[in-house]
Amino acid sequence: GAVVSQHPSRVICKSGTSVKIECRSLDFQATTMFWYRQFPKQSLMLMATSNEGSKATYEQGVEKDKFLINHASLTLSTLTVTSAHPEDSSFYICSARPGHRGYTFGSGTRLTVV
Amino acid sequence: GESVGLHLPTLSVQEGDNSIINCAYSNSASDYFIWYKQESGKGPQFIIDIRSNMDKRQGQRVTVLLNKTVKHLSLQIAATQPGDSAVYFCAESNTNAGKSTFGDGTTLTVKP
Repeated sequence: GAVVSQHPSRVICKSGTSVKIECRSLDFQATTMFWYRQFPKQSLMLMATSNEGSKATYEQGVEKDKFLINHASLTLSTLTVTSAHPEDSSFYICSARPGHRGYTFGSGTRLTVV
Repeated sequence: GESVGLHLPTLSVQEGDNSIINCAYSNSASDYFIWYKQESGKGPQFIIDIRSNMDKRQGQRVTVLLNKTVKHLSLQIAATQPGDSAVYFCAESNTNAGKSTFGDGTTLTVKP
């Protein structure tokens, strides 16, 4: 089946530094990928839609200068959390749609900012 | 026995019983609906989907029911097993928009 690989699975960084999270579609091409954030015991909140070869579309309230998205190829999208602060600590998950049924999700990245 | 309720954050059932998880969606323009299972520390896993031109769809041990009149979705799990314990989310999307909006989620606990 279609696989979305997300890396790293866990990262701890110091406040003020930047962290890059990668999302790869392994056996299909994804012109569009989606980035979500999930706080403990809460649902997934869509942050942005990543579009290959063009600018990402951000949801209302999501700072595009803080959460930089790059979708440079049909199999890779990256999310960079810039100048991370403790309130950015969360579970970040990407997804893509490999066909006509469902969306495939990555395994998520647990970000802890200290 | 079955536990039925609307928008319950948690559901506890005995192993072997049937489970029913409910979800209300908000966008009348949504035409595609998916149920996901999420285990702790992992990304959501696709369970079953349904399009708005259907009101029922069955999979292996799972059934999804869609009531567009009241914008309600349910997931039925037959013969619930301990491995079914997880958080279950419904998601709605519009084919043209592409993106999915997730519901609040229900934590299912299966007691042996």
